[in-house]
Amino acid sequence: EAGVAQSPRYKIIEKRQSVAFWCNPISGHATLYWYQQILGQGPKLLIQFQNNGVVDDSQLPKDRFSAERLKGVDSTLKIQPAKLEDSAVYLCASTKDRGVEKLFFGSGTQLSVL
Amino acid sequence: RKEVEQDPGPFNVPEGATVAFNCTYSNSASQSFFWYRQDCRKEPKLLMSVYSSGNEDGRFTAQLNRASQYISLLIRDSKLSDSATYLCVVNFQNLYNQGGKLIFGQGTELSVKP
Repeated sequence: EAGVAQSPRYKIIEKRQSVAFWCNPISGHATLYWYQQILGQGPKLLIQFQNNGVVDDSQLPKDRFSAERLKGVDSTLKIQPAKLEDSAVYLCASTKDRGVEKLFFGSGTQLSVL
Repeated sequence: RKEVEQDPGPFNVPEGATVAFNCTYSNSASQSFFWYRQDCRKEPKLLMSVYSSGNEDGRFTAQLNRASQYISLLIRDSKLSDSATYLCVVNFQNLYNQGGKLIFGQGTELSVKP
């Protein structure tokens, strides 16, 4: 079974630039999450999708971050414009449905904002 | 108060030692609890679920105290390969997200030395 795919693996940009991350969850997984993990901290939930609808985006900085999952499959997360404090690993995870315990994570995208 | 709070680390222990990690959570309505393990520069992976009656998996024992909103993880006979960051995860449910969202603690780093 293919795992959660994320790209790119690494990205370096200058502040005020834009960046986008892509995630393809495990086939058949209805719930998709984007987490931000700053070095030395635990993953912080940014947004949770159920199929193509947003279930929770209470922690997403909506002035600069946006995410979509148009067809209920793959998803993109965008930052525009980026700030220095956005430097982190962005992890995508999926589960078959909400409330299911085991998150399947992708390898993450490591973002450095200079 | 943080939603999920863990012991600050790092824990440095010799091989064969017993080590315990503690975690508290703020949402009394939470129903599901987990421990994840994260190796350096890798994505988190599910270590074990935490059940009300407590559960054991080899050298690992997880306990839940709902009254105190407290979770623990005990590792007996530590191995070098146990060196990692251990993340406490709680499924927060509310009226708007009845399936819940998985909230991570900040993690506790364990280093097992020969």
